[in-house]
Amino acid sequence: EDQVTQSPEALRLQEGESSSLNCSYTVSGLRGLFWYRQDPGKGPEFLFTLYSAGEEKEKERLKATLTKKESFLHITAPKPEDSATYLCAVDTGRRALTFGSGTRLQVQP
Amino acid sequence: DGGITQSPKYLFRKEGQNVTLSCEQNLNHDAMYWYRQDPGQGLRLIYYSQIVNDFQKGDIAEGYSVSREKKESFPLTVTSAQKNPTAFYLCASSQRELSEQYFGPGTRLTVT
Repeated sequence: EDQVTQSPEALRLQEGESSSLNCSYTVSGLRGLFWYRQDPGKGPEFLFTLYSAGEEKEKERLKATLTKKESFLHITAPKPEDSATYLCAVDTGRRALTFGSGTRLQVQP
Repeated sequence: DGGITQSPKYLFRKEGQNVTLSCEQNLNHDAMYWYRQDPGQGLRLIYYSQIVNDFQKGDIAEGYSVSREKKESFPLTVTSAQKNPTAFYLCASSQRELSEQYFGPGTRLTVT
């Protein structure tokens, strides 16, 4: 059974304090890994797709990386508006995406 | 503007009543999905559809039904057989099966 585990469950940072969120996966055949941002009471917003180990993608203060076992979402010098839940999901080619339970990020001014 | 719309944003129903949640997209996407999200949990797949007039059960399809009569529309009916229907429901679409999905704003259903 495909499994996606995100850690930590919750993270509180001071503004400007860089950190990383982890998404580890156990799947048989990864076709792609997706990162989403979700604000309270709203639908997830697509951020990145990663397809192969070693791939990196960046968007403003966010950088996503991928290895054979896990993905990291690095947040550099975060701002309060980066506060949200970050979800990762995997595509194994069998059905729809399998999602992790997310990391709730709070950035304090 | 292209996107996915879900209506209503909030929905209240009495136990024992069926209720239908609307999902419309104008992105010309072939695939559409319904997920359920409970507090502190990830998204769980209810149903998905790759083409018109065809749909597949997800992990938690019991107590739910769908139809896909038009490419743009994928309504979800929460039936009285669903034991714990109170949740946040999200609709998504993608250009093709298993590419990145784009989500609607969600419908929060409360059943009392």
